[in-house]
Amino acid sequence: QVQLVESGGGVVQPGKSLRLSCESSGFTIRSYGMFWIRQAPGKGLEWVAVTFYAGNEKYYADSVKGRFTVSRDSSKDTLYLQMDRLRIDDTALYFCARGRGGGSRVDWLDTWGQGTLVTVSS
Amino acid sequence: EIVMTQSPATLSVSPGESATLSCRSSENINTNLAWYQQKPGQAPRLLIHDASTRATDIPARFSGSGSGTEFTLTISSLQSEDFAIYYCQQYNNWPPWTFGQGTKVDFK
Repeated sequence: QVQLVESGGGVVQPGKSLRLSCESSGFTIRSYGMFWIRQAPGKGLEWVAVTFYAGNEKYYADSVKGRFTVSRDSSKDTLYLQMDRLRIDDTALYFCARGRGGGSRVDWLDTWGQGTLVTVSS
Repeated sequence: EIVMTQSPATLSVSPGESATLSCRSSENINTNLAWYQQKPGQAPRLLIHDASTRATDIPARFSGSGSGTEFTLTISSLQSEDFAIYYCQQYNNWPPWTFGQGTKVDFK
């Protein structure tokens, strides 16, 4: 069964750091592009970051560029999101998701985790 | 950045009726569009990709259409489990991958 499970969320003060993890089962993340998507309380979906299946191509939303880093450990089938210099507006439910598309593209998201909640508050 | 605009914000429908949801992109995205369903407390679920291709195990009452800048998700004969928020997402020009703000389908 294809599944993603996020962990690592919590309450953190502004300016601090947090690392989220996303463990896959039923497939190997080495073969897929992987996304982080977030959803602020009561709001819609916002793309945060993506790492292509080759691992060397990564993109970030402008709102997190320079503060967040996406990485993967294929030996553990785990995706990470290192979040530094957190801000109050980073408060959200963070989902990891598997990307699909033609060839090496990562276009739509066919499998999502349940999310992990990050609350940034003083 | 491509902006995705969904309408209406809320659609009130009775069970058994059909629902038509709209999604408009700020520029031509060909058929590079996906639709997702999200129920309260749950992760989004992929319904449609490439504007009209149903994802695995998605019932035939969900159908997508459109190309260019205008897209539609139609849910025929709504069932109780279909009351949810629906999002469109474009993947024609990235980054960023962008979502619409969502349409909530609720009970009339």
